[in-house]
Amino acid sequence: EDQVTQSPEALRLQEGESSSLNCSYTVSGLRGLFWYRQDPGKGPEFLFTLYSAGEEKEKERLKATLTKKESFLHITAPKPEDSATYLCAVQAVRSSGSARQLTFGSGTQLTVLP
Amino acid sequence: KAGVTQTPRYLIKTRGQQVTLSCSPISGHRSVSWYQQTPGQGLQFLFEYFSETQRNKGNFPGRFSGRQFSNSRSEMNVSTLELGDSALYLCASSLEGYKGQPQHFGDGTRLSIL
Repeated sequence: EDQVTQSPEALRLQEGESSSLNCSYTVSGLRGLFWYRQDPGKGPEFLFTLYSAGEEKEKERLKATLTKKESFLHITAPKPEDSATYLCAVQAVRSSGSARQLTFGSGTQLTVLP
Repeated sequence: KAGVTQTPRYLIKTRGQQVTLSCSPISGHRSVSWYQQTPGQGLQFLFEYFSETQRNKGNFPGRFSGRQFSNSRSEMNVSTLELGDSALYLCASSLEGYKGQPQHFGDGTRLSIL
């Protein structure tokens, strides 16, 4: 069974204080790892897809990295508008080669104080 | 380019009733997935449709069903509503739903059961 664990559950940062969110996963075969941002009352907004260990993706103040067991979302010099819940999800591959559905972690609620 | 559209945004029902939720995917996307989001359980996968066929199914009772039309629009139905069905129901679309393609979410339907 695919498992995704995110830590910490909640994180409060001062504006400009860089930090990292962790996503640990257990899957039999990884097809892709996804990061999403969710604001209150909204659906998750896609940020990044990572496909293989060693891969990195960047977007503004966010950088996502991937190893064989975990992914990190690094936030550099965050601003209050970065406050949101960040979700990690994995898509695994069945033995037949077809893809399974996304399995989500419980998320990290990030608050950036001005 | 229009995003994923879900209707209605809010619904209030009573126990025992049934409800139908609608999802219009991004133009050109053929895979539609449905999720239930609650504070206690997070995002839980319901089912995925591709080319009018259910391709993946989560661990939900048979009261939860769905379908997809030839234009890729999808509906989800919940019969004999229970208090525990109160949740945010999210629809997500992707090009084909595998190969690690990202899913793009709508803003959901907030279902409240009285």
